[in-house]
Amino acid sequence: VQLVESGGGLVQPGGSLRLSCAASGFTVNTNYMVWVRQGPGKGLEWVSVIYASGSINYAESVKDRFTISRDISKNMVYLEMNSLRAEDTAVYYCARGNWNYGYYFDYWGQGTLVTVSS
Amino acid sequence: QSVLTQPPSVSAAPGQKVTISCSGTSSNIGNNYVSWYQHLPGTAPKLLIYDNNERPSGIPDRFSGSKSGTSATLGITGLESGDEANYYCGAWDTSLTFMVFGGGTDLTVL
Repeated sequence: VQLVESGGGLVQPGGSLRLSCAASGFTVNTNYMVWVRQGPGKGLEWVSVIYASGSINYAESVKDRFTISRDISKNMVYLEMNSLRAEDTAVYYCARGNWNYGYYFDYWGQGTLVTVSS
Repeated sequence: QSVLTQPPSVSAAPGQKVTISCSGTSSNIGNNYVSWYQHLPGTAPKLLIYDNNERPSGIPDRFSGSKSGTSATLGITGLESGDEANYYCGAWDTSLTFMVFGGGTDLTVL
């Protein structure tokens, strides 16, 4: 199993960016997939999830600005980020979700850095 | 501010044991299962413990997890310099309907 994120970079406040997560070793519609971010000097923060069923959820801080999606044919997961704010500056990680008795994330990518600054 | 509470840092000598605590509420740890992650800056976080005390294949038994009430603990025995990293606890939050994390604990092996 491998996850590789891309698409990060420097963007001005109010701008947009699309992050990509290339998955290998499994298919993205057999597990739930999440985006988790870590701001500078901060801990991990869950951002969004897309379940195997296709159901989606977002953290309140990004709702109505971010959109998660997947392309099963390409085995990719995406995070479209609009109306970016300085507080969205973070390393964004893609992770595979799993479940036994509880939820957990068993594989993570190395992350892609998003910097929102003028 | 993180939903789960962890100490910012812990330290111990090589070969010694260290524990890292994680405190939550009935909405998360109290009624759901805890996972633990090891993270070295610039690398992918690694799953250490899931379902409170289960280790994925490949994780040595030096790492252990436990839970009691609304708190959980990660234990690491036989400390090695390679264990220096940030450690995060996570748990599903029934009210928020997503995974919440602790703020992370920076482990230093003296």
